[in-house]
Amino acid sequence: GAGVSQSPRYKVAKRGQDVALRCDPISGHVSLFWYQQALGQGPEFLTYFQNEAQLDKSGLPSDRFFAERPEGSVSTLKIQRTQQEDSAVYLCASSLRVGTLGEVIGNIQYFGAGTRLSVL
Amino acid sequence: DAKTTQPNSMESNEEEPVHLPCNHSTISGTDYIHWYRQLPSQGPEYVIHGLTSNVNNRMASLAIAEDRKSSTLILHRATLRDAAVYYCILCPITGANSKLTFGKGITLSVRP
Repeated sequence: GAGVSQSPRYKVAKRGQDVALRCDPISGHVSLFWYQQALGQGPEFLTYFQNEAQLDKSGLPSDRFFAERPEGSVSTLKIQRTQQEDSAVYLCASSLRVGTLGEVIGNIQYFGAGTRLSVL
Repeated sequence: DAKTTQPNSMESNEEEPVHLPCNHSTISGTDYIHWYRQLPSQGPEYVIHGLTSNVNNRMASLAIAEDRKSSTLILHRATLRDAAVYYCILCPITGANSKLTFGKGITLSVRP
């Protein structure tokens, strides 16, 4: 089946421009995560959704960062007034299927290939 | 969050076994040990996880010390495609939706 899909793969923005990054999770996955990966570093958590509810946004670095998942499927990470320090790879991951009885199935995160954002 | 410590890098020869160590001396009784790897220009991918017993799957084996303060990811026959950054991560049992806390990982190079 299809994995996690992210678009665009590459984005170049001028400083001050707004950008929107899209994530299509695996169908049926309840949880969706966004991570930011600077060059040479491991990914760092930004925010987490369970269905359409944003349950943790403790990793968002500033109020210029905003994420939504209005129908509990596709998610968008928006960065307003981009700065050079926002240059990074933005990764999306999905996980957790819920069975017919509401039981949790699986706790493995499946990642997309990421969007590489360069702010000039 | 409980922390893991890994060497920065390791080299291996193709078709030889590779043992990637991880220390997690502050692990709690409710933490699973997960391994992910990240190939160049790709997102991380799940490799294996375990709690107390050693685990095997088609990708690798995970050997967990009896006191659970360290673990080793074993690739039985390294291939060039296994060159990647490998991350050892602790995940609480009860946190089914837990965020992953990555460190810098260990960079594995495979020589042909």
